[in-house]
Amino acid sequence: DAKTTQPPSMDCAEGRAANLPCNHSTISGNEYVYWYRQIHSQGPQYIIHGLKNNETNEMASLIITEDRKSSTLILPHATLRDTAVYYCIVSLQGAQKLVFGQGTRLTINP
Amino acid sequence: EPEVTQTPSHQVTQMGQEVILRCVPISNHLYFYWYRQILGQKVEFLVSFYNNEISEKSEIFDDQFSVERPDGSNFTLKIRSTKLEDSAMYFCASSENIYYGYTFGSGTRLTVV
Repeated sequence: DAKTTQPPSMDCAEGRAANLPCNHSTISGNEYVYWYRQIHSQGPQYIIHGLKNNETNEMASLIITEDRKSSTLILPHATLRDTAVYYCIVSLQGAQKLVFGQGTRLTINP
Repeated sequence: EPEVTQTPSHQVTQMGQEVILRCVPISNHLYFYWYRQILGQKVEFLVSFYNNEISEKSEIFDDQFSVERPDGSNFTLKIRSTKLEDSAMYFCASSENIYYGYTFGSGTRLTVV
């Protein structure tokens, strides 16, 4: 699985958009980008995934660059409950395991 | 919204004892997983399970570990002889198919003393 690089921590004001970057320069053509988050030692929560097109769901948007070497997770209107560790994971779709890194600790400030 | 349920939420056991961690995956899910997270460390993959057999396992998942789906609804992780270093949060997860995200349970905190 390709390695990902994320900033260790970020801050965002409540109500603003939180933009979380992820670098995955060694991603291969059939690997997907998955995002999960973990709120204070709870189980990880799936957010979104994509291959090359931008994706949006009720939780977030995923923007993948054209060369696929990086991506950005966007939480459009962050709330205090979005404070969590966010993990960017690159994996083959259908892979039987996820390889978690250290993630980005996102703090939403009032 | 459907949930993955794990019991107990916290278990304390003596070193050398056997423990069984229980999980009830979402009812129409077919793929099941166990992960663990030692305090302050990354979430680590242990094992995946499909069609009543292990699909993949990590180096951590040695002979001391086993998984079972005993009755079609529960999914269990057994540690035969616990060690101090087995102390961790253990997360069960399930997915309907392998092409989408997993749903994780809230975890069992295992403390080996």
